[in-house]
Amino acid sequence: ETGVTQTPRHLVMGMTNKKSLKCEQHLGHNAMYWYKQSAKKPLELMFVYSLEERVENNSVPSRFSPECPNSSHLFLHLHTLQPEDSALYLCASSPNRGPTYEQYFGPGTRLTVT
Amino acid sequence: GQNIDQPTEMTATEGAIVQINCTYQTSGFNGLFWYQQHAGEAPTFLSYNVLDGLEEKGRFSSFLSRSKGYSYLLLKELQMKDSASYLCVAMDSNYQLIWGAGTKLIIKP
Repeated sequence: ETGVTQTPRHLVMGMTNKKSLKCEQHLGHNAMYWYKQSAKKPLELMFVYSLEERVENNSVPSRFSPECPNSSHLFLHLHTLQPEDSALYLCASSPNRGPTYEQYFGPGTRLTVT
Repeated sequence: GQNIDQPTEMTATEGAIVQINCTYQTSGFNGLFWYQQHAGEAPTFLSYNVLDGLEEKGRFSSFLSRSKGYSYLLLKELQMKDSASYLCVAMDSNYQLIWGAGTKLIIKP
């Protein structure tokens, strides 16, 4: 049990659908992250929130929209996705953003776009 | 540009020792992490090095040479459960993490 939960664990959606991924951390951390993991590729950082404010957005397409209502919850809203968006989406948290802080990952949501 | 290089796949025998190498190029440096990721699971933290030298933690050790932009993860007394991907991650001067694609380690009996 890592203290970071994600729902759903698996999601299949069509290109015209709208869905949301949810992440919750029970560790009292101040920073939360969304990553995309595609097969045999490095993790791609999508969004970073520190104290509920977005501090980093790595040129992610607007069809991905994050929301951080409080320091324990993070959402990723999805709409009009493309098949190449199929991947494992990982949420992570850390005590703060900066050196030495290890990240605690959730189990991920396996997304398939048809 | 910033990047991480590590082997794609390695094979080792149960009970043996294996060393997974990683080289990095970053804009500034704030440390290097190793994570373990079993298939279908989340990455989990193994180690963090910011100073040169060897850090030992049980069967796992991690080494860093900042002048060479080089690190390795050493796994001793290999067990079947060590079969996983090992991710090398460098942090640059802006606290941005540069992730490697991971080394898939296969342990054979």
